[in-house]
This record gives sequence, C-alpha cells and structure tokens, in this order.
Amino acid sequence: EAGVAQSPRYKIIEKRQSVAFWCNPISGHATLYWYQQILGQGPKLLIQFQNNGVVDDSQLPKDRFSAERLKGVDSTLKIQPAKLEDSAVYLCASSSPGRGTTYNEQFFGPGTRLTVL
Amino acid sequence: AQKVTQAQTEISVVEKEDVTLDCVYETRDTTYYLFWYKQPPSGELVFLIRRNSFDEQNEISGRYSWNFQKSTSSFNFTITASQVVDSAVYFCALSDENRDDKIIFGKGTRLHILP
Repeated sequence: EAGVAQSPRYKIIEKRQSVAFWCNPISGHATLYWYQQILGQGPKLLIQFQNNGVVDDSQLPKDRFSAERLKGVDSTLKIQPAKLEDSAVYLCASSSPGRGTTYNEQFFGPGTRLTVL
Repeated sequence: AQKVTQAQTEISVVEKEDVTLDCVYETRDTTYYLFWYKQPPSGELVFLIRRNSFDEQNEISGRYSWNFQKSTSSFNFTITASQVVDSAVYFCALSDENRDDKIIFGKGTRLHILP
C-alpha cells in the first residue's frame, strides 16, 4: 500500500513570495492533516479535513495560509505572502478508522522543507 | 492547557547500550492519551505507541518498553540493546478524550547511536 505522498520535497523562496504544497493521502483515508514543524520543535497541527470539510483550522494563520481539499482526496496548502518565520517542514498526514478499533492512527508523509530567505 | 516536556534535547549512546527517553506531561483532563513517535532522517513520523490514561500497565514490544507513571505524570521510553538504526528524533505527545486525533507534541529528543 502506498504511503502519504508530498511534493515538492524542498522549496526555497524569498519573503513575500507565494508557495504551494501538495499532499496525496493514503487511498481511502477520509481524514487529512497539515502540520508545521519548525526546526527543533514538534509538529503543530495547522488544519484538519474530514473528506472535503474543515474540522479544525484554529491554528492556521488565515491571513496568509490557506488550504483546500477538493473532492476529498488530494490537498494543497498555500502560503501567500511568505515570511521568514514560515521556514519549516510542512508535514501531511492521513487517517481512517481501523477495523475493530476506534483509534485513527495518523500516517505521515516525508514532508516539504520550506526555506524563506 | 496541555503540555509535553522532553527535557533531553540530544542523547548519544554507544551501540548495544540501553537508553531511556524522558517525557513529562501536563493536562487537566482525567482521560487522555499519550503517544510516542519516531522521526528518522527521512522525515516522516512513525507511530510507536498510544496509551490510554486509565491503562498504567507498562508495555514491552521487542527492544522497546514504556513506563507510564500517572503519579509523576511521566511516560518514559526505553530502548534496550540500542542499534544504529534507532538513531532518530523521538517525540512524546498527548491528546484528550474529546479530540484524540488532535495531538500535542513535545519538542523531541534527538538520539544518536554510535557504532
């Protein structure tokens, strides 16, 4: 079974530019998460989708960040305009209820490392 | 507010030694979940364990073991007979009953296993 795919793996931009990241979750996974992981810290949830609806975007800086999950499959996270403090790894994860359990284990992609100069 | 503290930023041990990673958490919830994740150099987080706050039994899985002590709000992780492949960043994390998928991560401990 293929894992969570993310692209690009690396991106370098200048501040005030725009950037977009793409995530393809594991097939059949209804829930999709975007995390921001700043160097030396643990991941922080930015936004969570259930199918194509937003469950939680309380920690998403909505003045510059946006995300969508059209058709409830792939998702795109955009930053416009980027700031220096947005330099981080952006991780995508997906989950789906397992058989015989109520716990939805999250499976993570390899992340996109963003450097803002 | 929920908080996870991993006081050890970086640890280096020689292969085959045992190593314990510390985790202390704070929560006002009576029901909560504790996790450990591994982040190898490739970047993706790998789930290791999830523990319910009502289950204080220690758990062993191969060379990995976890010690949950509610009295001290700790959930420590021990690797026995460490191997070079264990080199990674390890995160302890916490979530509550109502949102068990909203995971609050600690800052992680970077573990170096030296050959």
